[in-house]
Amino acid sequence: DQQVKQNSPSLSVQEGRISILNCDYTNSMFDYFLWYKKYPAEGPTFLISISSIKDKNEDGRFTVFLNKSAKHLSLHIVPSQPGDSAVYFCAAPNSGGSNYKLTFGKGTLLTVNP
Amino acid sequence: GAGVSQTPSNKVTEKGKYVELRCDPISGHTALYWYRQSLGQGPEFLIYFQGTGAADDSGLPNDRFFAVRPEGSVSTLKIQRTERGDSAVYLCASSLVAGGTGELFFGEGSRLTVL
Repeated sequence: DQQVKQNSPSLSVQEGRISILNCDYTNSMFDYFLWYKKYPAEGPTFLISISSIKDKNEDGRFTVFLNKSAKHLSLHIVPSQPGDSAVYFCAAPNSGGSNYKLTFGKGTLLTVNP
Repeated sequence: GAGVSQTPSNKVTEKGKYVELRCDPISGHTALYWYRQSLGQGPEFLIYFQGTGAADDSGLPNDRFFAVRPEGSVSTLKIQRTERGDSAVYLCASSLVAGGTGELFFGEGSRLTVL
């Protein structure tokens, strides 16, 4: 029972263009969502989050959009840079008092080509 | 260093052996978490400590897995009678407090290979 789904295992974009990474979820009780970025042989690092009461959060080149009716969120990276090449994980914390427990998607490998 | 430190970075062992993986969290972080990442999967929750006590160990797959944090800082994940299916990257993370906005600080992980 996968509550957070990333259906695209990989994505390749050209430097300077937009990267759009998608995530779907099944649990409408999630309070917020997070994106983590992971380079090879490193641990995941927090990138950006969004509260379930918002539909957009922007931080520099990174913007996350939340569509609650569709139970879908997306991460936009504009413009994409080769250093953005990494695996991106969508995650959400359990609700009901256990919001320390993150559920992660399987991740999407982004490759930004120079 | 200032980040979460995990040792060993790589561990190769034989089926049936005992393994210990160590995590040194960021100084001052009261919450500590263990996750496991298998090939092609996202990290999966194993156990969470608040201080010295295991507040939630619901993610531990079976009783071969055990974790301790005796002084509220360093934690050790212990795996008995290892099986090939235990092969994965074991990630430790810490946070100043539990919950909040969910931002965890992860270590680089300990890659366990069971032959």
